[in-house]
Amino acid sequence: EPEVTQTPSHQVTQMGQEVILRCVPISNHLYFYWYRQILGQKVEFLVSFYNNEISEKSEIFDDQFSVERPDGSNFTLKIRSTKLEDSAMYFCASSDREVNTEAFFGQGTRLTVV
Amino acid sequence: SQKIEQNSEALNIQEGKTATLTCNYTNYSPAYLQWYRQDPGRGPVFLLLIRENEKEKRKERLKVTFDTTLKQSLFHITASQPADSATYLCALVASGGSYIPTFGRGTSLIVHP
Repeated sequence: EPEVTQTPSHQVTQMGQEVILRCVPISNHLYFYWYRQILGQKVEFLVSFYNNEISEKSEIFDDQFSVERPDGSNFTLKIRSTKLEDSAMYFCASSDREVNTEAFFGQGTRLTVV
Repeated sequence: SQKIEQNSEALNIQEGKTATLTCNYTNYSPAYLQWYRQDPGRGPVFLLLIRENEKEKRKERLKVTFDTTLKQSLFHITASQPADSATYLCALVASGGSYIPTFGRGTSLIVHP
């Protein structure tokens, strides 16, 4: 069964460092998403990506965040200068269409900023 | 303000019983609502989608109802099993704009053998 894969599963970084979280969405999907979940909190939307550009972003997704689809398979989330409050699980998701559909989530990357 | 509320207290039931989880919302005009399952340290897994003009949806042991008058969705698992123990998230997509689902905090279900 096709699945969304994320690497690494766990990343520990120093405050102020840049991190790149990587995702390989399902191959025939066109819509890509990043969400985050702070421990014990709800899943929060960060950004959606379609046709090689951001289609929507939340207030959380400020100038410190960027996304990229550098080739036909990878989808990355970069945090330029990490803060302690960026510590969370980051989930990548993909879907085959925009509406009335399910999102397939990856297993997540646990980011710990120290 | 817009809110999606799920019972924060864990639901404990005996194996074989029906589990019923609730999702209430306020200040939304929903297009559709989704239910996901999330295991600890894992990503959400999609279970069911129900549109605002549908009253009920079923899939195997799962049933979802959607009452736009009460602003509520109920999620039922019949003949529950210990393997059903997880956190269940509802996610709502509002009509007339963004199709990005907004998630509730989820309710933990614990099925005891």
